[in-house]
Amino acid sequence: KQEVTQIPAALSVPEGENLVLNCSFTDSAIYNLQWFRQDPGKGLTSLLLIQSSQREQTSGRLNASLDKSSGRSTLYIAASQPGDSATYLCAVRNTGRRALTFGSGTRLQVQP
Amino acid sequence: DVKVTQSSRYLVKRTGEKVFLECVQDMDHENMFWYRQDPGLGLRLIYFSYDVKMKEKGDIPEGYSVSREKKERFSLILESASTNQTSMYLCASTTGLLYGYTFGSGTRLTVV
Repeated sequence: KQEVTQIPAALSVPEGENLVLNCSFTDSAIYNLQWFRQDPGKGLTSLLLIQSSQREQTSGRLNASLDKSSGRSTLYIAASQPGDSATYLCAVRNTGRRALTFGSGTRLQVQP
Repeated sequence: DVKVTQSSRYLVKRTGEKVFLECVQDMDHENMFWYRQDPGLGLRLIYFSYDVKMKEKGDIPEGYSVSREKKERFSLILESASTNQTSMYLCASTTGLLYGYTFGSGTRLTVV
């Protein structure tokens, strides 16, 4: 059974810092991995989708990498801003399975 | 952009009531999902549907049922609401193996 772990569970940084969020998964037989953002009391907003054949994806100040063989992904946020404060979730889609398996998230606070 | 709409942001229901949570997507996706999200437990899959009238149980289906009579609409039904079903409910949809998931804005259900 796939298990997804996110470290750290919470992170507080001053504005302007570059930061890395980590996601690891136990079963490397995946179609893709998706990073989401969730604001308090709200739904999930998709940030980046990486296919199993890709190494990284970029969107603005966000860059996500994937190392399928080692079961790891990172989300890099450049020049963090207070508006980046949210919970970040990673989720994987395993081969032969329609539903996503989620990590428990990293709660990020960016201090002005 | 794909839009997934959940009909209610907040609901308060009484114990024993039959509760319907509605979800509509506008992009002809064949796959639709219901998750619940609880502090410390993360997102857990309740049910999903891969076509009209087709459904499969997720990890925590007890106390719930679903209905998919039209491709764009996926309903979650709490047959007899209980206080332990107080939670945030999230609907999602996707198509194909290589596409990401789109989530709705969530329904915060409180059962009193």
